[in-house]
Amino acid sequence: AQSVTQLDSHVSVSEGTPVLLRCNYSSSYSPSLFWYVQHPNKGLQLLLKYTSAATLVKGINGFEAEFKKSETSFHLTKPSAHMSDAAEYFCVVSDPGNQFYFGTGTSLTVIP
Amino acid sequence: DTEVTQTPKHLVMGMTNKKSLKCEQHMGHRAMYWYKQKAKKPPELMFVYSYEKLSINESVPSRFSPECPNSSLLNLHLHALQPEDSALYLCASSRDQGQTYGYTFGSGTRLTVV
Repeated sequence: AQSVTQLDSHVSVSEGTPVLLRCNYSSSYSPSLFWYVQHPNKGLQLLLKYTSAATLVKGINGFEAEFKKSETSFHLTKPSAHMSDAAEYFCVVSDPGNQFYFGTGTSLTVIP
Repeated sequence: DTEVTQTPKHLVMGMTNKKSLKCEQHMGHRAMYWYKQKAKKPPELMFVYSYEKLSINESVPSRFSPECPNSSLLNLHLHALQPEDSALYLCASSRDQGQTYGYTFGSGTRLTVV
């Protein structure tokens, strides 16, 4: 069975400081993992994905995530937060049939 | 074209109305999905079409009726909805249901049932 736990429902950072959004997964298979971002009243945009290639994955807008099998984690990071990063972030694991299992989301607030 | 286009962006309907949501993609994707998202919650899967055939129906009430007329188009027909059906309805597509390429999502239709 597949599942995702996003460890923080809300994260607040100051502009220019690092961002860390935490995600742990459970999967019966070698997982595919994704991070999506959703700005208010918008659809979901793919930030990055891990599909069993390099464990450090670089995405758009300066985000990256590291797949750690021993810790079953896929945390999302960014060195320096921008105001435009304020949004809802979803960690997702997919099964071999490409069915998505969403985490409950982390709301990121960026303080000027 | 790397987008999934959903229309309309906003829809207000009465409980006795019949309306349809439309989703279109021209990326050659063969799997298409409908999701329902309530405020502050993750999307919930409703339907999956693979090669224009319904492959997953997540026990959605019959007042929601999906249709996939061709490989580029996905509709969601709405009839006799309830106020609790008010939500953001998201369409997504992927290259194939069996491949882990990830999904491309549309911007959604914000539905309000009055």
